[in-house]
Amino acid sequence: AQSVTQLGSHVSVSEGALVLLRCNYSSSVPPYLFWYVQYPNQGLQLLLKYTSAATLVKGINGFEAEFKKSETSFHLTKPSAHMSDAAEYFCAVSGNNQGGKLIFGQGTELSVKP
Amino acid sequence: EAGVTQFPSHSVIEKGQTVTLRCDPISGHDNLYWYRRVMGKEIKFLLHFVKESKQDESGMPNNRFLAERTGGTYSTLKVQPAELEDSGVYFCASTGQINTEAFFGQGTRLTVV
Repeated sequence: AQSVTQLGSHVSVSEGALVLLRCNYSSSVPPYLFWYVQYPNQGLQLLLKYTSAATLVKGINGFEAEFKKSETSFHLTKPSAHMSDAAEYFCAVSGNNQGGKLIFGQGTELSVKP
Repeated sequence: EAGVTQFPSHSVIEKGQTVTLRCDPISGHDNLYWYRRVMGKEIKFLLHFVKESKQDESGMPNNRFLAERTGGTYSTLKVQPAELEDSGVYFCASTGQINTEAFFGQGTRLTVV
């Protein structure tokens, strides 16, 4: 079985500060890992994905995530937050035997203060 | 290229009524998924179509939910009769190949009163 845990339902940072959103997963098969973002009144948009190539994955809008198998983690980071980064972020896992269905974490609402 | 389209964007219905949600995937995407997010909870998988066939419907809550995908194009999700606990946001996603990027629609917010 697969599962995802996102630590912190709400994270608040100041503009220009480091963004760190935590995601831990469990999977009985080699995982595919994803980060999605949902801006207000929009659908989910893919930020980045890990599919067993490089462990450090770079995504859109300056975000990146590092796959750490030993820690079963896939934390999302951005060196400097912008006001436009305020949104809800979802970590998700899938696997080769899962037909592509995604198992999501609970989501983390990111607020950016001026 | 048009993205995944869902409608209606919002629906408010009374308990016991029927509602049908529609999803138009990206043209050519064989895989279509339905998900639901109940308020305060995580987004949960409902079912997966490959073309017109149900590949996995393990997430469907009960037999009040019926999903179809006519001719392997658009899909509908009918809730009959609706209950209060069915309220939430229903998302549709499509992919060309599995485990590649899933493109999501904006979701349908269903409120059952």
